[in-house]
Order: sequence, then C-alpha cells, then structure tokens
Amino acid sequence: LAKTTQPISMDSYEGQEVNITCSHNNIATNDYITWYQQFPSQGPRFIIQGYKTKVTNEVASLFIPADRKSSTLSLPRVSLSDTAVYYCLVGDEGRRALTFGSGTRLQVQP
Amino acid sequence: DTGVSQDPRHKITKRGQNVTFRCDPISEHNRLYWYRQTLGQGPEFLTYFQNEAQLEKSRLLSDRFSAERPKGSFSTLEIQRTEQGDSAMYLCASSLSGASYGYTFGSGTRLTVV
Repeated sequence: LAKTTQPISMDSYEGQEVNITCSHNNIATNDYITWYQQFPSQGPRFIIQGYKTKVTNEVASLFIPADRKSSTLSLPRVSLSDTAVYYCLVGDEGRRALTFGSGTRLQVQP
Repeated sequence: DTGVSQDPRHKITKRGQNVTFRCDPISEHNRLYWYRQTLGQGPEFLTYFQNEAQLEKSRLLSDRFSAERPKGSFSTLEIQRTEQGDSAMYLCASSLSGASYGYTFGSGTRLTVV
C-alpha cells in the first residue's frame, strides 16, 4: 500500500488560503487520492477525491501533478471552523480498505 | 437516511468484561468498515465487510475481537475480556464498492476500560 507523508501541523489565519501537500511516492496505477477532515470526537468526513490533474468541489480543490507522487489540498479563505485534522489517503478502495496516517493538524487563528 | 449510526456513543466498562458495539450503515452501501482511533492518532483499520462477507482483517484484530455483519445490513463488533489498552474510539464507516467512492463515517463509540 502506498504510504503518505504530510506535515504534522499547520497554522493559518481566517480568510487565508491554506495548501496542505501530501507525498505519496509509491502510488500505484489504480490508486485514488482522497482527503478527509476530522473534528474532535467525530468520525472523519470525506472532503475530496481525485485521480489526476485538478478536482474542485464546493469545499476544496485538489491538485495532482502528472507524476501523481504528491497532491495538494487547497482550502480557500479558511475560517475558524476549518480547524481540524486533515488526512491524505492513497489507495484502491475497490480492493483494500484505506489506511490513515497521522494527518495534518490545521489551526486557524482569528 | 441519516447516515451511519453507531450505538452506544460512550461505553465505560471494567477490565475483563465483554462489550458489543453496533453500526448501522447507509442502507444502499454494501461495504462496512471498522476502525479504531486513539488520542492523537489517525484511525487504524480493523476489518471490513462486503455484504455479509468479511473480506479483510487487520493484525490488530486479536482473538478477543470479533465482528459480524449478518444479512449484510448492520454490523456488530465485540471485544471479549477487555483490557485497558482497548480504550479508544471505535469508528464505523460504509461505502459503495468500487475504486472511487469515499467512506461515510459514523460518530464513533468511545470505549473506556477502567
């Protein structure tokens, strides 16, 4: 299974754009890249998923370069409520269950 | 459908007792997953089902742990002879099978073994 590496923590201020980069050098051809958000005492929440290039939804954008060895989650204009842990996962959900790493703790300050 | 439901939300038990947790997935989801999460760590995979078949089990799932999903609907996770190290949040998730579907997680059951 492809391992992921992401920063342990990040700090930002309200209204700023936040970019969290995840490295996954051993990503396989069939693997998708998925990001989850988790608040304390809650289960993780699906944010966005992509295979290549750029994906955008109402919450975030996901940028994946051509070699797919990394990906960047972009959160536009963060607010205090975006303070959470963000997990980058790589895998083929069709075959194996996804493996979570330790995630990135994002702290948004006023 | 209100999402994935887990019951109970909290459980305090004495060491050595057996506990059982229940998970009700989103009705049209054929896959169901159990994860365990301790403070400050990411969720650790325990096991998953496709319909009623248990397709994968983690090495973390010792002999004291057993999971079932009768008739491919709800699932139960039982821990026998609980130990203090079993204290954690137990998370259930469900999804459709396939390579590009995200998981929907429940709010978890927090187990405290005293």
